[in-house]
Amino acid sequence: EVQLVESGGGLVQPGGSLRLSCAASGFTFSSYAMSWVRQAPGKGLEWVSAISGSGGSTYYADSVKGRFTISRDNSKNTLYLQMNSLRAEDTAVYYCAKQRVPYCSSTSCYQFDYWGQGTLVTVSS
Amino acid sequence: EIVLTQSPGTLSLSPGERATLSCRASQSVSSSYLAWYQQKPGQAPRLLIYGASSRATGIPDRFSGSGSGTDFTLTISRLEPEDFAVYYCQQYGSSPLTFGPGTKVDIK
Repeated sequence: EVQLVESGGGLVQPGGSLRLSCAASGFTFSSYAMSWVRQAPGKGLEWVSAISGSGGSTYYADSVKGRFTISRDNSKNTLYLQMNSLRAEDTAVYYCAKQRVPYCSSTSCYQFDYWGQGTLVTVSS
Repeated sequence: EIVLTQSPGTLSLSPGERATLSCRASQSVSSSYLAWYQQKPGQAPRLLIYGASSRATGIPDRFSGSGSGTDFTLTISRLEPEDFAVYYCQQYGSSPLTFGPGTKVDIK
């Protein structure tokens, strides 16, 4: 059974940093690109970042480029999101999401068949 | 960036009725790289449809997707009680990936 479990969310002051983790199980982690998708309270979904299965390619939304860094440790089956220079508008539930198609890092494969339960990040003073 | 617009914002229907949800793109979505997700309160999204018309694993056949270019539709043939939720479309034909604002299907 595929499981994605996020952790690391919490309350942080504007300008602060936080690192999210997503522990994956039930599939061959290194074969799949992964993404982070966020949802502000009461709002819709926003794709944040993606990383190829090998970790060699990364992609970011303009809203987080230069502030967030996605990475993965395939030996630990874990996805990360390092978030720096946090702003109030980064407040959201952050989901990690598994791409449906293996061995594909193209945007055209980025449909997400499994999602974690989400972790809440609140940026406030 | 491709902007997705969903209509209506809210759809009020009764169980057993047919639901038709629309997703319109600001420019053509290449190769029909359009997906639909269902989200219930407090839960993560669930993939329903990919490639505009292919049902994801385990999705009942009352859910169907159609469309191409800039106009796409999700149809729920007969609403079951568990189908009342918010539905999002997503394009993955070009970067950045974008989602529509959602259509809420609620009980009339």
